[in-house]
Formats: sequence, structure tokens, C-alpha cells
Amino acid sequence: QKEVEQDPGPLSVPEGAIVSLNCTYSNSAFQYFMWYRQYSRKGPELLMYTYSSGNKEDGRFTAQVDKSSKYISLFIRDSQPSDSATYLCAMSNPSGGSYIPTFGRGTSLIVHP
Amino acid sequence: DGGITQSPKYLFRKEGQNVTLSCEQNLNHDAMYWYRQDPGQGLRLIYYSQIVNDFQKGDIAEGYSVSREKKESFPLTVTSAQKNPTAFYLCASSRGLATETQYFGPGTRLLVL
Repeated sequence: QKEVEQDPGPLSVPEGAIVSLNCTYSNSAFQYFMWYRQYSRKGPELLMYTYSSGNKEDGRFTAQVDKSSKYISLFIRDSQPSDSATYLCAMSNPSGGSYIPTFGRGTSLIVHP
Repeated sequence: DGGITQSPKYLFRKEGQNVTLSCEQNLNHDAMYWYRQDPGQGLRLIYYSQIVNDFQKGDIAEGYSVSREKKESFPLTVTSAQKNPTAFYLCASSRGLATETQYFGPGTRLLVL
């Protein structure tokens, strides 16, 4: 079993839909949780990060962490064609002073007009 | 503009050849990283460096080598010992290892002739 599991998709939704992207993990020591967006043939860019459990909102994006279930989510409201990209979850265990993340394999999202 | 640059964008390698991928950052970050991304897979850590003249192996270091002679630069050499080098290579940096946020370059796609 991989430490971080993420459904690769593709997930295809109509413009304006609410999108839910998810990851599960097995290492209970993970404390920081991140979502990256990667457009085709580009480097990933950090969308959001959260520490421990709870919700964090930034515009149309909401990140949610449920440590008891080892489950994290990214919600996108009013999705736009420009949101079409691969979304990578990542998480890190800062014990030992290193935050080097473990990445999921990414979910491909397609938002069609 | 501060950021990370990678060159070349595309690189072709012949059998038995070593090739070097360039990564430069002007963010004044101490830590730098190299990842490999294969289709449908997450990012896998090749090497990382916390400080000049110091670097550590990641999860898949075999067949690769790095140097860190300057803070701004972290070149990756793909040696002939790497039997399956075709992939998308991503360089990243962060203020330090004890920092949750990594910033990525645009990537180099390596293809074998």
C-alpha cells in the first residue's frame, strides 16, 4: 500500500460544478497537507496548505483535512475551464526537522464549457 | 522576477551518454530538490540539498548524480547507469528543509533516442 493514495481520474465536470478531489494516507505522523496544481507540461504550483485537521478557504478553493480518517479533500466551487489541470496532494511529517513531502500521483481534472 | 529556471525544456539522450539538467533559482533559498515524474505517477525524490556543498540521496538516486557548488544552482546529471531515464524532471526549492512550501521550476522532459 502506498503512503498516499489518489485516484488519477480523469474527472470530467461541466463548467460551474463543484469539484471534490481527495486523497487518503496511511502515515498518521503527517502534519502538513498541501495541494498543488499542475498544468500540462508545466511545474506544479502550490495552491493551499493546511496544518493538522480542519478547513481552509481561499477564494473558490477549500482544503479540508480529517486526520481521524486519514483523508484530505480539495473543493473547487464554480469550476472554470481554466481549472483543468492535474491536482497533486502532498503531505509531510516534520519530525526530524524536514518537511520533504510525499506526493500523491495526481488527479486529472477536465472542466468543459 | 524571482523564480526557478530549468534548462533545457527538452533533452535527448543517446545510449551510454551522460546528460546534465540545469536548475537555477534566485529566491535565495537554501534547500533545493530534484524530482522525477512519470505518467500517472506522483513525484519521486531523486536528490536534495540543504546547503551548499551538501546533498542527500532521495528515494530513487541510483543512476543520478548532483552537485551544489553555489547556492543558486543544483544541476542533475543523468548517467548511463540510469536504464530508464525517459521522464519529466522537476527542480524545486524552499527556504529550508524545515519549510513546508516548495516552489517548482517549469521542468525538463528527457527523451532517449
